[in-house]
Amino acid sequence: QSALTQPASVLGSPGQSITISCTGTSSDVGGYNYVSWYQQHPGKAPKVMIYDVTNRPSGVSNRFSGSKSGNTASLTISGLQADDEADYYCSSYTSSTTWVFGGGTKLIVL
Amino acid sequence: QLQLQESGPGLVKPSETLSLTCTVSGGSISSGSYYWGWIRQPPGKGLEWIGNIYYNENTYYNPSLKSRVTISGDTSKNQFSLRLSSVTAADTAVYFCASKFAGSGRFDPWGQGTLVTVSS
Repeated sequence: QSALTQPASVLGSPGQSITISCTGTSSDVGGYNYVSWYQQHPGKAPKVMIYDVTNRPSGVSNRFSGSKSGNTASLTISGLQADDEADYYCSSYTSSTTWVFGGGTKLIVL
Repeated sequence: QLQLQESGPGLVKPSETLSLTCTVSGGSISSGSYYWGWIRQPPGKGLEWIGNIYYNENTYYNPSLKSRVTISGDTSKNQFSLRLSSVTAADTAVYFCASKFAGSGRFDPWGQGTLVTVSS
């Protein structure tokens, strides 16, 4: 199975909004509402920020939101803060009853 | 509150078998509410799903690793384990265990991860 496609890096300034895309196929992202987004700071375990396309776990800031259109899912972070600087990964269920991650996006807060 | 902790050797020789255990606290691996999974991350690279196990012992594996991977559960110890055979340097990675809510794509929480190096 191929990794989902994410931009290698995204830049944003404090207070701005950014969007990270995650592109798959109709056999994964486009076929199921099981897309999740994970934030990973250096040396730490990933933390779920969005699950099942649009749901936010308790305790996660409402500055984080998710959406999906066709075979592409998106994570939007509004009111960018310095602590948002991290790696972000998407994941999706696939038609092969497996799970696949994206290649990861490094968010740089200028 | 569910917590997971990986344990196992940090160094494995090429061609040997990597074995890791994930100890679960705050919940039971016999619960049908979760799947239990392994994910790895080579140094400086992205996440790769290895596989999941469900309480009924059904297992699901990454096709690229399927021939070398076995995930099993031990309900008496509330642990689940990963075995990866015939390892090479390419299997050097931080290995995470995680729970996944049944009926959801949410892997949460994750263990802290353990680095396994494959080297002679």
